[in-house]
Amino acid sequence: QSVLTQPPSVSAAPGQTVTISCSGRTSNVGDNFVSWYQQLPGTAPKLLIYDNYKRASGIPDRFSGSKSGTSATLGITGLQTGDEADYYCESWDNSLNAEVFGGGTKVTVL
Amino acid sequence: EEQLVESGGGLVQPGGSLRLSCAASGFTLSDHYMDWVRQAPGKGLEWVARSRNKANGYVSQYAASVQGRFIISRDVSRSSLYLQMNSLKIEDTAVYYCIRDEASLGAYDLWGQGTMVTVSS
Repeated sequence: QSVLTQPPSVSAAPGQTVTISCSGRTSNVGDNFVSWYQQLPGTAPKLLIYDNYKRASGIPDRFSGSKSGTSATLGITGLQTGDEADYYCESWDNSLNAEVFGGGTKVTVL
Repeated sequence: EEQLVESGGGLVQPGGSLRLSCAASGFTLSDHYMDWVRQAPGKGLEWVARSRNKANGYVSQYAASVQGRFIISRDVSRSSLYLQMNSLKIEDTAVYYCIRDEASLGAYDLWGQGTMVTVSS
């Protein structure tokens, strides 16, 4: 059971938009920044978004992040087959004194 | 080129020990927080341990699941990070990633390729 809650999967057709939610608590998402990572099959995760909404170097503006209260959202527009991957949200938890991750969301391009 | 390369994974019996190494290149190890994160087969990511940077005294922090069993350390002269894993349990089976926590981003910006640890009798 992950500290941050993500939907197990989302899917959409090429060119469409998907959003991935990340729900937490005040002690993590509410009071700290959220990062998002993309893990392509068989590879190490890669940083997409940091500080809730800032794109990491080289990340296209099709990827966006936002946060409101104790929830964060990753958006992917103009979906491409190369976007098929697992996506994880991550934040620091002040109560656990630990980094915490969401359980991951598998994005499928139909 | 900035790079992290892990080594030391393998098969170990429950109760045994293993030491993972992470060779860092292309940047100054002492300037950065460094973490270990693991991923059990078919599962999500789990934070394991942190070594703060030199400016913060190389203080260590651990997940509750490994506290008292794992020790994170670094050898700046060898530009290497380590994870000593003792009293291993079957549930410690995972790919272990060495990661740089870039302070200016507050996020993990550099990942190693991972090393597999299998705990089984």
